[in-house]
Amino acid sequence: DAKTTQPTSMDCAEGRAANLPCNHSTISGNEYVYWYRQIHSQGPQYIIHGLKNNETNEMASLIITEDRKSSTLILPHATLRDTAVYYCIVRVDQGAQKLVFGQGTRLTINP
Amino acid sequence: DTAVSQTPKYLVTQMGNDKSIKCEQNLGHDTMYWYKQDSKKFLKIMFSYNNKELIINETVPNRFSPKSPDKAHLNLHINSLELGDSAVYFCASSLTSGRAYEQFFGPGTRLTVL
Repeated sequence: DAKTTQPTSMDCAEGRAANLPCNHSTISGNEYVYWYRQIHSQGPQYIIHGLKNNETNEMASLIITEDRKSSTLILPHATLRDTAVYYCIVRVDQGAQKLVFGQGTRLTINP
Repeated sequence: DTAVSQTPKYLVTQMGNDKSIKCEQNLGHDTMYWYKQDSKKFLKIMFSYNNKELIINETVPNRFSPKSPDKAHLNLHINSLELGDSAVYFCASSLTSGRAYEQFFGPGTRLTVL
C-alpha cells in the first residue's frame, strides 16, 4: 500500500470549513483514497473514499487532484464534535482488506 | 442497536495471566478484524477472519490466539500477558464484497498489564 503524509495537527473555527490535506505521491492506479476518523476514546469511523473523481456524502467531500498524488478532505461546516484524529489511507479496493493507519492529523475545532 | 460490541471495555490484570476479549457484530458481515492501538496511538492490524477462516496474521506473537466460532464472533485470547501487551484493542467487521470499503469498529477494550 502506498504511503501517505499528513500534517500532524490543524485547528479550525467552529462553523467554518475544515480542509485536511493528504499527500500520496506513490499511489498506484488501482489504489483508492480512504478517510477515517477517530474521536477520542472511540473506534475509528469511516468517512469517505474515492478513486479519481471528487466524492461527496453526508459527512464530507473528497477532492482528489488530477494526478492523484494528493487529496483534501473537506468538512463543510465543522462542529465541536468533529474534533478528532483524521486518517488518510491508500489501498486497493478488493474485498476485505486491512487498513494501514499512519499518524493522522489531529483536528481541533475551536468555539 | 450496537453494531460491533466488545467485552470487557476495561481489563486490568497481572503479568503472566491469560485473558480473553470478546467481539460480536450484528451487521451480517463476513469478515472480522483485530487491531491494536499502542500508547503512541498507532493503530495496527493484528488478525482478520473471513467466514471463520484466518486470512490475515500480521506477525503477532503466538501468545495471541484469535478464535472465530461463527461469522458474527471473533474472540482474542492472550496467554502469558506481558507489560508490552498494554494497549487498546479494537475489533472491526466488514463485508467482502459490495460495501467492503467500510469497516465498522467496536468501542475498544483497554488492556492494562501490571
